[in-house]
Amino acid sequence: DTEVTQTPKHLVMGMTNKKSLKCEQHMGHRAMYWYKQKAKKPPELMFVYSYEKLSINESVPSRFSPECPNSSLLNLHLHALQPEDSALYLCASSQDMGGEEFFGPGTRLTVL
Amino acid sequence: EDQVTQSPEALRLQEGESSSLNCSYTVSGLRGLFWYRQDPGKGPEFLFTLYSAGEEKEKERLKATLTKKESFLHITAPKPEDSATYLCAVTRGATNKLIFGTGTLLAVQP
Repeated sequence: DTEVTQTPKHLVMGMTNKKSLKCEQHMGHRAMYWYKQKAKKPPELMFVYSYEKLSINESVPSRFSPECPNSSLLNLHLHALQPEDSALYLCASSQDMGGEEFFGPGTRLTVL
Repeated sequence: EDQVTQSPEALRLQEGESSSLNCSYTVSGLRGLFWYRQDPGKGPEFLFTLYSAGEEKEKERLKATLTKKESFLHITAPKPEDSATYLCAVTRGATNKLIFGTGTLLAVQP
């Protein structure tokens, strides 16, 4: 299996909702990432987990809460989001930090 | 400050018209340079990694090259299905984070 999967593909939520994005990989990669991408912009790094421990938090607001339950799974918990948080959320994984990153298809998030 | 600049921002080619995309970088201690292709609304698709000046890699109609200051993605006889945004990114040893350029939007017309 050489792919990263993400669910759901699309998500619409209100500003008071709580939702979660999920990411899974079965390539044995030890680093996993969350990115946010706005239209016509490159991906913007949010969090990095290395060996299931949070390694990098790019000063992301606390309304975004990452979780790495095991080496194959990565979650992003969302709470009290703002309309400006609407974006494509991408998960990626790599063998180790700094290596080739393989991206999932993304979750298109709309905050109303 | 680490910086990655891609040019042109957009490129329109006729089918079969070969061209090159440029990625120039200023980063201390380059660890790797990566090329990705991204279709609208989808995640970036990994294409190539280059590690040292003089290195070249090829895949179908694409060929990536690296010098000490820049990388080129050469597209030979492109087809409409090559239309996409091409992203360049670098990592350096101290941070291990991808630093992305802003991308080149390629449109290949039949």
